[in-house]
Amino acid sequence: DAGVIQSPRHEVTEMGQEVTLRCKPISGHNSLFWYRQTMMRGLELLIYFNNNVPIDDSGMPEDRFSAKMPNASFSTLKIQPSEPRDSAVYFCASRPRQENIQYFGAGTRLSVL
Amino acid sequence: AQKVTQAQTEISVVEKEDVTLDCVYETRDTTYYLFWYKQPPSGELVFLIRRNSFDEQNEISGRYSWNFQKSTSSFNFTITASQVVDSAVYFCALSLYNTDKLIFGTGTRLQVFP
Repeated sequence: DAGVIQSPRHEVTEMGQEVTLRCKPISGHNSLFWYRQTMMRGLELLIYFNNNVPIDDSGMPEDRFSAKMPNASFSTLKIQPSEPRDSAVYFCASRPRQENIQYFGAGTRLSVL
Repeated sequence: AQKVTQAQTEISVVEKEDVTLDCVYETRDTTYYLFWYKQPPSGELVFLIRRNSFDEQNEISGRYSWNFQKSTSSFNFTITASQVVDSAVYFCALSLYNTDKLIFGTGTRLQVFP
């Protein structure tokens, strides 16, 4: 079975540009999570969805960040405009309804120059 | 507030040594879950184990074992006869029963030398 699929794996962009990260959760999972990993702050939850509905976005750093889940098989995390301090690894994870275990994608390493 | 502490930032061992990674958690809730994840050099996060707060039985899976002690709020992870492939960063995490949030520790980097 395919796991959580994230794209792109690496993204290099210039400050001020818009960045869109993509995630395809495991089929049948009803919860989706976006995390950010940095050396300074470790792994932190940005936002999560249940049944495509955003439940908690208190971890989203500021208005430059937005996330959508238009259907059960796709989610995006957008940064507009991007800044160098957004450089990090962004992980997507999904969880099935009947099991409290989050399965992570391989991550997107974002570098904002 | 909930918190997970992994006091060991980095551990180095030689192959075949046993190694224990410590995890201490804080929560006032009585129902919660504890997790361990592995992050190898390739970067992905791999789920290893989940434990709920009502199950204090130790668990063994091959060379891996976990010791959960509510009395000391600890959920330690032992690798027996370590191998070079065990080199990774290991994260302990906590979630409460009625939330989906995972609260991660800062991780322990394990280096196993041949």
